[in-house]
Amino acid sequence: DQQVKQNSPSLSVQEGRISILNCDYTNSMFDYFLWYKKYPAEGPTFLISISSIKDKNEDGRFTVFLNKSAKHLSLHIVPSQPGDSAVYFCAATFGNDMRFGAGTRLTVKP
Amino acid sequence: DAGVTQSPTHLIKTRGQQVTLRCSPKSGHDTVSWYQQALGQGPQFIFQYYEEEERQRGNFPDRFSGHQFPNYSSELNVNALLLGDSALYLCASSLAVLAGGGTDTQYFGPGTRLTVL
Repeated sequence: DQQVKQNSPSLSVQEGRISILNCDYTNSMFDYFLWYKKYPAEGPTFLISISSIKDKNEDGRFTVFLNKSAKHLSLHIVPSQPGDSAVYFCAATFGNDMRFGAGTRLTVKP
Repeated sequence: DAGVTQSPTHLIKTRGQQVTLRCSPKSGHDTVSWYQQALGQGPQFIFQYYEEEERQRGNFPDRFSGHQFPNYSSELNVNALLLGDSALYLCASSLAVLAGGGTDTQYFGPGTRLTVL
């Protein structure tokens, strides 16, 4: 059962513009959400997270928004840089249970 | 500070064989989780080890087993390999947050690419 979904397998944006990656979940018990970035031949790297008691968390160019009523979260990258090109996974946790989406491949064009 | 390390990097086995994958956690971490990532999919949780015991398990058959050693390193064993076991196997380490019953942020290793022929 896919409790975490990333419906866009790929996204292409121009350097300097905003990248918005989306993620939906179905299990209302999830209480912590994370975004990971993955380069080829490497494991996923933790990027940013948000607790279910918040609706926004910002870290430099990266901001995660959480809409609990819609069971939706998004990652905004502003401004996008070519080095941001990677596969981005969203993940949701409840206790020890962590579920991942299938990932979105972001390409930032110079 | 060494991050999470995994060995081997790549492995080729045939159906019916057994395989052991190894993981050393990030310094200071005491919890190890294993994930299977099939091509085009996100990582799927296999199980998690803490204090040398399996703490939680995902929806994987008993052919998948593990072990955690006193130094917190871990092994993933898969018996009677099937073609469908071909995947990237990721190990993630974290620090247990006992009060909340969960763990702090997980840090992933580079993975072991297993191919079953």
